[in-house]
Amino acid sequence: KQEVTQIPAALSVPEGENLVLNCSFTDSAIYNLQWFRQDPGKGLTSLLLIQSSQREQTSGRLNASLDKSSGRSTLYIAASQPGDSATYLCAVRAYSNDYKLSFGAGTTVTVRA
Amino acid sequence: DTGVSQDPRHKITKRGQNVTFRCDPISEHNRLYWYRQTLGQGPEFLTYFQNEAQLEKSRLLSDRFSAERPKGSFSTLEIQRTEQGDSAMYLCASSSGLAGGRDIQYFGAGTRLSVL
Repeated sequence: KQEVTQIPAALSVPEGENLVLNCSFTDSAIYNLQWFRQDPGKGLTSLLLIQSSQREQTSGRLNASLDKSSGRSTLYIAASQPGDSATYLCAVRAYSNDYKLSFGAGTTVTVRA
Repeated sequence: DTGVSQDPRHKITKRGQNVTFRCDPISEHNRLYWYRQTLGQGPEFLTYFQNEAQLEKSRLLSDRFSAERPKGSFSTLEIQRTEQGDSAMYLCASSSGLAGGRDIQYFGAGTRLSVL
């Protein structure tokens, strides 16, 4: 069974600081990994998708890396802003269950003005 | 159509009552998923449709839960005889089923169920 872990569970930083969010997974046989953002009481917004053959993806201030062999992904958010405050979730799509995503519990980020 | 729509956004019900939620996927997407999310946790997979066929059900989906996707368009999730443990956010997602690792699941805003 695929286990996805996100550490830390919560993070508070001053505005302007770079954010580093970690995600680890136990089964490296994956199709892809997605990073999502979730605002309180809301649904999930897809931020980045990294295919298993890729090492990283970038979108604006966001950069996500993937090391499939070690079962790790990192989401970097440059020059954080108060609007980046949210919960960030990572999810993997495994070969063994290619129809579903297995999620971590998320990292809740607070960016202080 | 700009995204996945879910209705209602919030539902409060008494224990023992039946509830039904609706999901309208992105129009060209043939795959539809239901997930459940409790406070402080990531979403957990419930069930998956390819067009109108329900291809997989999680063991989390007890016999009180039923999902349908008639004609491969919108989907409904019904919970019979609700229990307090059913209180959660129910999320719907859809995808186009691209091959390999390119398939992206897009999520709706969710239906928050509170069972009193």
